[in-house]
Amino acid sequence: SAVISQKPSRDICQRGTSLTIQCQVDSQVTMMFWYRQQPGQSLTLIATANQGSEATYESGFVIDKFPISRPNLTFSTLTVSNMSPEDSSIYLCSVTGPTYEQYFGPGTRLTVT
Amino acid sequence: GENVEQHPSTLSVQEGDSAVIKCTYSDSASNYFPWYKQELGKRPQLIIDIRSNVGEKKDQRIAVTLNKTAKHFSLHITETQPEDSAVYFCAPGGNEKLTFGTGTRLTIIP
Repeated sequence: SAVISQKPSRDICQRGTSLTIQCQVDSQVTMMFWYRQQPGQSLTLIATANQGSEATYESGFVIDKFPISRPNLTFSTLTVSNMSPEDSSIYLCSVTGPTYEQYFGPGTRLTVT
Repeated sequence: GENVEQHPSTLSVQEGDSAVIKCTYSDSASNYFPWYKQELGKRPQLIIDIRSNVGEKKDQRIAVTLNKTAKHFSLHITETQPEDSAVYFCAPGGNEKLTFGTGTRLTIIP
């Protein structure tokens, strides 16, 4: 399966600031997704990152808060904007394999103080 | 949207015994049924999946069974080992999107 990396692996940020998380894959993939996993909870899909067009957001998530870019088939970014302590979570990107199974990056652990 | 429930939420079994986790879902359009294992501090790892045209799939000590009529699928782990201790998530999906269940914390007692 594809090798997926995320940067940064963790960060501590002050409320009101923004953080951009990068997801890089070592091969071209059809679909990329961004998830949030709050402490001790399950994974919640934030959005589908579409190559060359606007991301598709799930209910409860908006572009102004979580702008996403996907300039090509191997790279995507998620920005967490105007952060509050409630945004403290692990953010994970995932990519689809050849038969649409999903594989996850290592995650970015974000703490907002 | 898809409603996904997992049972039980926690499960403790003696090493060597079997464990079964059940996942029920609501969307009859779901056609892909994976299970993920997440160890503490690690990313979710795909361990087995099944598609809607198949009733059962096995891979060594793990198996998944699907009952599409009743809208549930189950993860079976036989001959459990300490390294099976983790949180397991079902994530039924269709059209490439997955909806994750609430998770089952499995503890293997040596």
